[in-house]
Amino acid sequence: EPEVTQTPSHQVTQMGQEVILRCVPISNHLYFYWYRQILGQKVEFLVSFYNNEISEKSEIFDDQFSVERPDGSNFTLKIRSTKLEDSAMYFCASSTRGAGANVLTFGAGSRLTVL
Amino acid sequence: LAKTTQPISMDSYEGQEVNITCSHNNIATNDYITWYQQFPSQGPRFIIQGYKTKVTNEVASLFIPADRKSSTLSLPRVSLSDTAVYYCLVGDQGGKLIFGQGTELSVKP
Repeated sequence: EPEVTQTPSHQVTQMGQEVILRCVPISNHLYFYWYRQILGQKVEFLVSFYNNEISEKSEIFDDQFSVERPDGSNFTLKIRSTKLEDSAMYFCASSTRGAGANVLTFGAGSRLTVL
Repeated sequence: LAKTTQPISMDSYEGQEVNITCSHNNIATNDYITWYQQFPSQGPRFIIQGYKTKVTNEVASLFIPADRKSSTLSLPRVSLSDTAVYYCLVGDQGGKLIFGQGTELSVKP
């Protein structure tokens, strides 16, 4: 069964450092997403991406965040200057279509710990 | 923007049927309703999706009334391994797919 792959599984960083989380979506999927989940809380939408541009983003996704699909297979989330409150599990997801009858396949997540 | 409301938690025993209801009063005409399951430290996993009436697959059933303002996920004969958080997701036409707060289901022996 096709899966979404995320790396690293766990990253520890110092506050103020840049972090890049990587994702390899399912190969024939065209829509890509990042979500995050702070420990004990619900899954929160960050951003959706289609046709090499952001289609939707949440209030959480401020100027410190950016996404990129650099080579046609990887989909990355960059946090420019991490804050303590960025500590969370970050999930990448992909799907074959946009909103509506949309089924997301999620990766296993990348746990980010900011010290 | 469709918003969903679910019970925070539910308890059940092995072998029982569990029904989890989600309210989504502002669902849009083209939106589908999708349920996901999440185990600790794992990504959400698709369970079932529907638009109206009833949908059934090998793991669950989804009941959607005519007004589509709510939906009920039904898990037949739950086991301990069904202990997880269950999220109701309603598609937003703008592509912003928002999870509800989730229902933490605890299945006891």
